[in-house]
Amino acid sequence: QVQLVQSGAEVKKPGASVKVSCKASGYTFTRSYLHWVRQTPGQGLEWMGRINPSGDSTGYAQKFQGRVTMTRDTSTSTVYMELSSLRSEDTAVYYCARDLESGGSCYLDYWGQGTLVTVSS
Amino acid sequence: SSELTQDPAVSVALGQTVRITCQGDSLRNYYASWYQQKPGQAPVLVIYAKNDRPSGIPDRFSGSSSGNTASLTITGAQAEDEADYYCNSRDSSGNQLSVFGGGTKLTVL
Repeated sequence: QVQLVQSGAEVKKPGASVKVSCKASGYTFTRSYLHWVRQTPGQGLEWMGRINPSGDSTGYAQKFQGRVTMTRDTSTSTVYMELSSLRSEDTAVYYCARDLESGGSCYLDYWGQGTLVTVSS
Repeated sequence: SSELTQDPAVSVALGQTVRITCQGDSLRNYYASWYQQKPGQAPVLVIYAKNDRPSGIPDRFSGSSSGNTASLTITGAQAEDEADYYCNSRDSSGNQLSVFGGGTKLTVL
């Protein structure tokens, strides 16, 4: 069965960086885009960007351009999301999610369990 | 701010039908997808494309679209349908690929 397992909770100071991992299993890793979505406390969902595990191409939301980097390691079927210059407003649960269609539909059919990132001095 | 607009809250009596709407310019050209999220859980895809349901999603969930408005309809709402619902679609502003609506809190009375 398809599973996306994310790394554990992080606490970071303002200005630092955080790198969250998402290990995929149960399907062919290179056939589906993987997206990152975050949810700030008590708020809605926010799309951050996506990566094509096959060719390593990425696409980021304008809001995060210059601060976010998404990478992948095909040997371990893992994608990573690194967010730099953290501020308190980045405190959120970060999710990875799989694209249902190989062409990149942005329909997200499987989600990781979420990783809480807390930014606090 | 979201390019997709949803009502913050909607309520429905148990067993009745409820429609949750999502408005945005991109919906004139792209389908919406809909996600259900319960407290403390990851979102779950319930409707995508024209009106497709992933395996395991009850057929009381359906989707439709007209002009700049997409709708999620729950026919015969159950207590377990109480959740937050988010629409998602492509972003028409050109700033990014995808955008979520602000979400609708559904209460089943």
